[in-house]
Amino acid sequence: GAGVSQSPSNKVTEKGKDVELRCDPISGHTALYWYRQSLGQGLEFLIYFQGNSAPDKSGLPSDRFSAERTGGSVSTLTIQRTQQEDSAVYLCASTLGTSGGEQYFGPGTRLTVT
Amino acid sequence: KQEVTQIPAALSVPEGENLVLNCSFTDSAIYNLQWFRQDPGKGLTSLLLIQSSQREQTSGRLNASLDKSSGRSTLYIAASQPGDSATYLCAVPTNFGNEKLTFGTGTRLTIIP
Repeated sequence: GAGVSQSPSNKVTEKGKDVELRCDPISGHTALYWYRQSLGQGLEFLIYFQGNSAPDKSGLPSDRFSAERTGGSVSTLTIQRTQQEDSAVYLCASTLGTSGGEQYFGPGTRLTVT
Repeated sequence: KQEVTQIPAALSVPEGENLVLNCSFTDSAIYNLQWFRQDPGKGLTSLLLIQSSQREQTSGRLNASLDKSSGRSTLYIAASQPGDSATYLCAVPTNFGNEKLTFGTGTRLTIIP
């Protein structure tokens, strides 16, 4: 595809439900990142996948958050037992994976937990 | 821990003026610095990437500079247009050789027609 795509664009869920957010990186990009943008909090890193290496999960805020990347391409971010503080825009980015590479971002998924 | 600051938080200028946005970072051991724009309700659009070995990078009316030793970068926008209105973010890798980004809080730019 031409760029990074994410789905859904908007998600409203009830507190306590699980949600899955999807990211399709640019074809051929080996590195994939998830970030979260909360009102008043700015952009914060969540998790990073690079090729077949173990992911860097250091930014995940709690064990309710997990992510996987299947076949080195599509990634899914799962939030279990959602809380109101999980409401944010979740952004995905990809790069070629070479050091110093430009990160390209998707349009994001706006998650609202009611 | 890398910290990135952008000042001012908001800026309004009349159309046609040149302007400068500022970004400062605390750890100068960076691979690169990237400038993004974000329109309301949208994702981030990459504007310019400056490698640590570079001092400037230009794209059209945009010029970004990098002074690693002083921990500063500027984004210069020439002949501003209403379409330039957006939030501008700078970001640097969190650690040298680690590409997860630390972002500034952004400058919200409004160009007055």
